[in-house]
Amino acid sequence: EPEVTQTPSHQVTQMGQEVILRCVPISNHLYFYWYRQILGQKVEFLVSFYNNEISEKSEIFDDQFSVERPDGSNFTLKIRSTKLEDSAMYFCASSEEGSVYSPLHFGNGTRLTVT
Amino acid sequence: AQSVTQLDSQVPVFEEAPVELRCNYSSSVSVYLFWYVQYPNQGLQLLLKYLSGSTLVESINGFEAEFNKSQTSFHLRKPSVHISDTAEYFCAVSDSGGSQGNLIFGKGTKLSVKP
Repeated sequence: EPEVTQTPSHQVTQMGQEVILRCVPISNHLYFYWYRQILGQKVEFLVSFYNNEISEKSEIFDDQFSVERPDGSNFTLKIRSTKLEDSAMYFCASSEEGSVYSPLHFGNGTRLTVT
Repeated sequence: AQSVTQLDSQVPVFEEAPVELRCNYSSSVSVYLFWYVQYPNQGLQLLLKYLSGSTLVESINGFEAEFNKSQTSFHLRKPSVHISDTAEYFCAVSDSGGSQGNLIFGKGTKLSVKP
């Protein structure tokens, strides 16, 4: 069964550095998402992306964050100038359509540790 | 804005015992509800969902959940659990009027099945 793949599985970075988290969504999916889960807290929506632009974003997704689909297969989340509180598990997801009738498929996540 | 409450952070049960994982959501005109499961070292997987129609929904591995509008609940149940059901379970609600881009998750319930 096709799956969403995320790399790396674990990223350690120093405060103030830029990181790029990578995702390869399922090939025929058109909608892409990033969620994050700070340890011990809820899974939180960050952003959704369709047709090469952001379709929705949360309050968390400020100017520090950006997303990009640089080619036909990758979907990236960039965090500029990382802060300690950015430490979390980041999940990428994709779906065929944007409605609730089309299930989200999640990757295994990238654990980001900011020191 | 929608919110989801999972009252139990951990639920330990013995194999073959019944289990109920509780989920309550804040009221809204239209509600789309989901249960996701996360097995160790894996991403989130959709377990079941309520979109419309019958208030009782079932998954392929014996779980069921009932949408109760008057109690604003969507509790997950299984009459007899297996060791392999050990995982973290997340209740979620769609907050985008039919779009699933912005899923609001609960904090999760860790189900631990003991032999």
